[in-house]
Amino acid sequence: EAQVTQNPRYLITVTGKKLTVTCSQNMNHEYMSWYRQDPGLGLRQIYYSMNVEVTDKGDVPEGYKVSRKEKRNFPLILESPSPNQTSLYFCANLNGETGELFFGEGSRLTVL
Amino acid sequence: EDQVTQSPEALRLQEGESSSLNCSYTVSGLRGLFWYRQDPGKGPEFLFTLYSAGEEKEKERLKATLTKKESFLHITAPKPEDSATYLCAVQDPSNTGNQFYFGTGTSLTVIP
Repeated sequence: EAQVTQNPRYLITVTGKKLTVTCSQNMNHEYMSWYRQDPGLGLRQIYYSMNVEVTDKGDVPEGYKVSRKEKRNFPLILESPSPNQTSLYFCANLNGETGELFFGEGSRLTVL
Repeated sequence: EDQVTQSPEALRLQEGESSSLNCSYTVSGLRGLFWYRQDPGKGPEFLFTLYSAGEEKEKERLKATLTKKESFLHITAPKPEDSATYLCAVQDPSNTGNQFYFGTGTSLTVIP
């Protein structure tokens, strides 16, 4: 079964405590991306990666880092989380032939 | 300026009452327009891709159409299981085409 798997699904943390949200895919797609979803603002792209070792900023990259050391994984790193990063995060990959983004189940992050 | 605007924000329909959701976009040289369905607590699920004005796609009770400046998602004789948030997205028309811009969605409730 085609999957994009995110962990953790739910996390409550405190300001300044580094955290990583993992994302892995089993579809061998080159393109992967991270989004955050906030009420009234919709889905906004944080970072994307065209392929291994190639990453680029989306619309809201401040406060986030990513790495793409292998095709399968695309972790999102919050070096020093702040309350304004409380949000619902989605990882997605892209079927380059159809243009379809395939999303994970989401990770709900709360920063106190 | 918002790239994608969806209306209405929320829509309540009686079962069997057909209606349409609107997605207007401001990007020029559209590379692709996408419709997604999102259920509470889940990641968006791909429905349709439209590439050029005049194109139409259908799936069960849903039909998506595209003009030069907007897209419509027509829902014919909806059922309660069609209740969800419907998201519209456009693909960045730049050469890289690697960014996607989402609207804030229309929350549809179908009442039995």
